[in-house]
Amino acid sequence: AQSVTQPDIHITVSEGASLELRCNYSYGATPYLFWYVQSPGQGLQLLLKYFSGDTLVQGIKGFEAEFKRSQSSFNLRKPSVHWSDAAEYFCAVGIYSQGGSEKLVFGKGTKLTVNP
Amino acid sequence: NAGVTQTPKFQVLKTGQSMTLQCAQDMNHEYMSWYRQDPGMGLRLIHYSVGAGITDQGEVPNGYNVSRSTTEDFPLRLLSAAPSQTSVYFCASSYAPGAPYEQYFGPGTRLTVT
Repeated sequence: AQSVTQPDIHITVSEGASLELRCNYSYGATPYLFWYVQSPGQGLQLLLKYFSGDTLVQGIKGFEAEFKRSQSSFNLRKPSVHWSDAAEYFCAVGIYSQGGSEKLVFGKGTKLTVNP
Repeated sequence: NAGVTQTPKFQVLKTGQSMTLQCAQDMNHEYMSWYRQDPGMGLRLIHYSVGAGITDQGEVPNGYNVSRSTTEDFPLRLLSAAPSQTSVYFCASSYAPGAPYEQYFGPGTRLTVT
């Protein structure tokens, strides 16, 4: 069965420090991978996505992620964190069928706290 | 262009009551879906629709009904609310089903069942 694991439930970093959020997936076919961010009381916003091609993808707000097939990982990174990055981050794998079935399987999320 | 809208934002129900969570999108998206979010569980798919008149079950469909009479609207009905349905509900839409288009999420409805 498809699954997404985010090993870190909560991460705290200082403003200006670098950030890496881990994501591992289990899926037999070509993965379509996403990172979403959820600010408190808000819906989810897409940060970036990987479908194919270059394994290093750039997203919004200065985030990037690297797809590593050999490690089944899709880790999210940012070189310098801002206080406004405090939020919860979700990794997801997209599963699609030609019949039109589509779903996102989400990890349980990583909550990011940013210290001043 | 409002994107995906959901009403109400908050709702408290008593066990056994029924209600409908509304979801609308103005992007002419074919695909719409409902997720529930519970602490420490991420988001789980309840129901989805690949177009007007077509719906199907996700991974946690029990206790919920949906219908899709128009492209724009995708309401979620709780027929007899239970405390286990206390959750935050998100509606999402994407351009077309079966392909990895971005899903756009609404702001959510926080439901408490007492």
